[in-house]
Amino acid sequence: DSGVTQTPKHLITATGQRVTLRCSPRSGDLSVYWYQQSLDQGLQFLIQYYNGEERAKGNILERFSAQQFPDLHSELNLSSLELGDSALYFCASSVGVGGPEETQYFGPGTRLLVL
Amino acid sequence: GENVEQHPSTLSVQEGDSAVIKCTYSDSASNYFPWYKQELGKRPQLIIDIRSNVGEKKDQRIAVTLNKTAKHFSLHITETQPEDSAVYFCAAAERPYKLSFGAGTTVTVRA
Repeated sequence: DSGVTQTPKHLITATGQRVTLRCSPRSGDLSVYWYQQSLDQGLQFLIQYYNGEERAKGNILERFSAQQFPDLHSELNLSSLELGDSALYFCASSVGVGGPEETQYFGPGTRLLVL
Repeated sequence: GENVEQHPSTLSVQEGDSAVIKCTYSDSASNYFPWYKQELGKRPQLIIDIRSNVGEKKDQRIAVTLNKTAKHFSLHITETQPEDSAVYFCAAAERPYKLSFGAGTTVTVRA
């Protein structure tokens, strides 16, 4: 157990809908990262938040957004869902801003199925 | 951005033999190279990482080597065991955030 928690574990929804995925980092970690893992795209970095502020952006679609709250938990919002958004969504956390001595620890993931 | 290629995509080894997975990267500024192991339906777990100021790092049966000139790094697993069966991902980044992952190698250890 990495100490990173994610809810829900599974999510089934329909195209066009909006969902929110939640992540709580390890105690003391200030950074949260979101990743999407799909069969065709592999594991892709979406976005990083550090202490409430967006820090780095990867291949995140405009239909997706994220935020990190004062208690450091983070939410990933996916809207206007398409079939291709079906994937495993992982969050990870690290202690600081992402410095050279840091390690990312992954949560158990949320499996999203868009029908 | 960074582009990481990983080979082979699948690897089958006899228990007790060694397994080697190789990755190449494109961005010469990358200086952090972690390896993650992911069992079916579970989270990626960091198994070892290396930074560009060292050429090799070992942790029991696992070792990673880095050649910055050639921009490639490799994972070596010795004396493989059935519990080593999993998907292994390499990654590269200038910083531990914004990791770029390889496509993964499915390792099967035959008993």
